[in-house]
Amino acid sequence: QSVLTQPPSVSGAPGQGVTISCTGSGSNIGAGYDVHWYQQLPGTAPKLLIYENNNRPSGVPDRFSGSRSGTSASLAITGLQAEDEADYYCQSYDTSLSASVFGGGTKLTVL
Amino acid sequence: QVQLHESGPGLVKPSGTLSLTCAVSGGSISSSNWWSWVRQPPGRGLEWIGQIYHSGSTHYNPSLKTRVIISVDKSKNQFSLELNSVTAADTAVYYCAREIPAGINWFDPWGRGILVTVSS
Repeated sequence: QSVLTQPPSVSGAPGQGVTISCTGSGSNIGAGYDVHWYQQLPGTAPKLLIYENNNRPSGVPDRFSGSRSGTSASLAITGLQAEDEADYYCQSYDTSLSASVFGGGTKLTVL
Repeated sequence: QVQLHESGPGLVKPSGTLSLTCAVSGGSISSSNWWSWVRQPPGRGLEWIGQIYHSGSTHYNPSLKTRVIISVDKSKNQFSLELNSVTAADTAVYYCAREIPAGINWFDPWGRGILVTVSS
């Protein structure tokens, strides 16, 4: 059971958009801690996708965007492409655990 | 740019000790970064194991704290993970990663990962 809750799966057709939620609590996201997002393509290591809630590293398309509000954060992907098919993880910090924490991951399927 | 590479045995016997090393290239382990280990059991999500600073200061996941030691070797520009009393539940891909200092650190880049299987 992950401290941050993500939907196990989402799907969308090419060109459409999807949103992946990351729900926490008052000891992590709700405490004001930033959220980061990672993309893990099949058989590869996770790669930083969004940092500090809504910032994209160089090279990440602007089709990817993030937001944070209250005890939750979201990753939005527009204009879906086949290459976006991957697992997506949110990450933050939990003050009760004194540890970095990840969401359980969401598998994106591009139909 | 900084690259990380994990190495170590891919098979460990139950009750034994898992030992891995992460070699850092393209940058110094003595930079202003923390360095972390993260693991991923097959078909499951990511779990943070712990972190180390070049000074030797460490923080561990409370769920693993009693079994984990992370150390640093500045002369070799690498850091290591030891996990003792392993069981099948410790079978996972183990990643090392650099932490970027911020309000809440993020992990970038990651090593390619190494699969460690606990089995007799």
